[in-house]
Amino acid sequence: TQLLEQSPQFLSIQEGENLTVYCNSSSVFSSLQWYRQEPGEGPVLLVTVVTGGEVKKLKRLTFQFGDARKDSSLHITAAQPGDTGLYLCAGVLYNNNDMRFGAGTRLTVKP
Amino acid sequence: NAGVMQNPRHLVRRRGQEARLRCSPMKGHSHVYWYRQLPEEGLKFMVYLQKENIIDESGMPKERFSAEFPKEGPSILRIQQVVRGDSAAYFCASSPTGMRADTQYFGPGTRLTVL
Repeated sequence: TQLLEQSPQFLSIQEGENLTVYCNSSSVFSSLQWYRQEPGEGPVLLVTVVTGGEVKKLKRLTFQFGDARKDSSLHITAAQPGDTGLYLCAGVLYNNNDMRFGAGTRLTVKP
Repeated sequence: NAGVMQNPRHLVRRRGQEARLRCSPMKGHSHVYWYRQLPEEGLKFMVYLQKENIIDESGMPKERFSAEFPKEGPSILRIQQVVRGDSAAYFCASSPTGMRADTQYFGPGTRLTVL
């Protein structure tokens, strides 16, 4: 079982729709990061959240870190085809500083 | 400012051969991490190295796999006597400090195919 569970695993939507993807765990993290990975490329860091309840916005993307620092969400407003990719969350465990990745949400935005 | 570089980008090996994957970290970064990614899966940590030291190899198989990061030159992930199950994308990341919470910058990956 994954330490970080991401849902949904796959998501296919039309351009202009809104969406939310989730990253959940029973473990506490000192920080959590979201990456986007395109086919044939390495992951690219989007954001790091460190404070429970923190909300960060990056243009049409809104990231939230849960109050208990066990979960996070990524909301995309008015999705565009350029948002297509694999969205990975990664957390640094509070108890031992190990970094672990979720399996990702594969997003497809159709024009 | 060059990012993390990996080569080769694609590597094909027959069963039993050796695979050598190279990673040059970003300028100024002395900490390197190797990850493996299977299709439709996230990244699995393999090993964390600092110059001339292996800090954490808890994610690396005990046999056939080894990693080094010499004082000069790139970090090398070596897989001996490859098997079909070794086929995957291998990513390297680097960070400026040894703090695990530090941002890791990823390379483009090496896609290993074992025939």
